[in-house]
Amino acid sequence: GENVEQHPSTLSVQEGDSAVIKCTYSDSASNYFPWYKQELGKRPQLIIDIRSNVGEKKDQRIAVTLNKTAKHFSLHITETQPEDSAVYFCAATLGEGGGNKLTFGTGTQLKVEL
Amino acid sequence: DAGVIQSPRHEVTEMGQEVTLRCKPISGHNSLFWYRQTMMRGLELLIYFNNNVPIDDSGMPEDRFSAKMPNASFSTLKIQPSEPRDSAVYFCASSFRDPGYNEQFFGPGTRLTVL
Repeated sequence: GENVEQHPSTLSVQEGDSAVIKCTYSDSASNYFPWYKQELGKRPQLIIDIRSNVGEKKDQRIAVTLNKTAKHFSLHITETQPEDSAVYFCAATLGEGGGNKLTFGTGTQLKVEL
Repeated sequence: DAGVIQSPRHEVTEMGQEVTLRCKPISGHNSLFWYRQTMMRGLELLIYFNNNVPIDDSGMPEDRFSAKMPNASFSTLKIQPSEPRDSAVYFCASSFRDPGYNEQFFGPGTRLTVL
């Protein structure tokens, strides 16, 4: 089955700096890669996703890049703000072929310090 | 739409008792997922259903866990008997199973404490 590794497990940045979280996946057939943000005590919520036919996607201060050859994808947050502090999870799926089953990374605790 | 609904939000029980968690997916969604989240093991998929049929239950930890989906708008996750190591937050998520649309929407979770 699919295996997703995520690094780092914790990340501390100063407000205004950029943050980068990296994930690798094992199954080359995976075709959809979402990122979820989970605030303390809340549910995971989708913040951005990318499909295997796209190399990069951007939404305001967040962007995701995908390297299919290397089987890794990254989340980039620019101009970080205190409200970006949360746990971020990457995930991968085979999509329809895999029943839309998501395999999650182990999460990155991001702390944005004032 | 109210989103994915889970009940109860919090459950405290004693070891050996039966626990039933409930989930109502978003109307129109045809895939439903049960996850367990702990500090040690992160977010684990327990079981998922497509069109009310269980597809993959390989994540169910042991026979004490069972899940059902009798119709498109309701699912249960049952633990019998419960043990302290079952303490976790249990999330239900739903999605529309379509080749071009895969987002999973999570419910608020049930925080289970087994004493």
